[in-house]
Amino acid sequence: GEDVEQSLFLSVREGDSSVINCTYTDSSSTYLYWYKQEPGAGLQLLTYIFSNMDMKQDQRLTVLLNKKDKHLSLRIADTQTGDSAIYFCAERDPNDYKLSFGAGTTVTVRA
Amino acid sequence: GAVVSQHPSWVICKSGTSVKIECRSLDFQATTMFWYRQFPKQSLMLMATSNEGSKATYEQGVEKDKFLINHASLTLSTLTVTSAHPEDSSFYICSAPRGMSYEQYFGPGTRLTVT
Repeated sequence: GEDVEQSLFLSVREGDSSVINCTYTDSSSTYLYWYKQEPGAGLQLLTYIFSNMDMKQDQRLTVLLNKKDKHLSLRIADTQTGDSAIYFCAERDPNDYKLSFGAGTTVTVRA
Repeated sequence: GAVVSQHPSWVICKSGTSVKIECRSLDFQATTMFWYRQFPKQSLMLMATSNEGSKATYEQGVEKDKFLINHASLTLSTLTVTSAHPEDSSFYICSAPRGMSYEQYFGPGTRLTVT
């Protein structure tokens, strides 16, 4: 099965950029996702990237994919207090819809 | 956009009772839904795949007789925790992919507390 790993904590000052890193193991073509979870809530899909892409940008979010190293990152520009949450990286099984999640990175935005 | 709802949002029950959690896709049909369990400050653990018209597929280590899943229609899957114990207390989240889309939508979760 897939094994997805993330750093656990990130503290960033308001207005700075945040970079959250993730590594995955499956080399097959698949989708990779970033989800945001606020306390007591479900998961909100932030963005996704297909494994044949290198980069994707969506407003303040930039996803970079290094296929050789199986490394995925999410950059949040101009981080705001509302960005404080847990961010999960997930890899989709290429044979079905199952997702494997990383442990989640807790992002704390300080004033 | 697509929305997945769960009911109830939270529930407290006594040990030995059963609790049913509903997961609904509100504006699309879902032949497949997934049930996850999340412990505090931990990641999501996939419990089972709910399949409309057939039996659910359980992940290794998940007791199918304890966590009963019924995919009653193309928009509804239910998870029943039978003979609940305090260790079943957790946050249960469902998700549903929309057709062949890359998107998988998550419900808001159900907080179960067993006393």
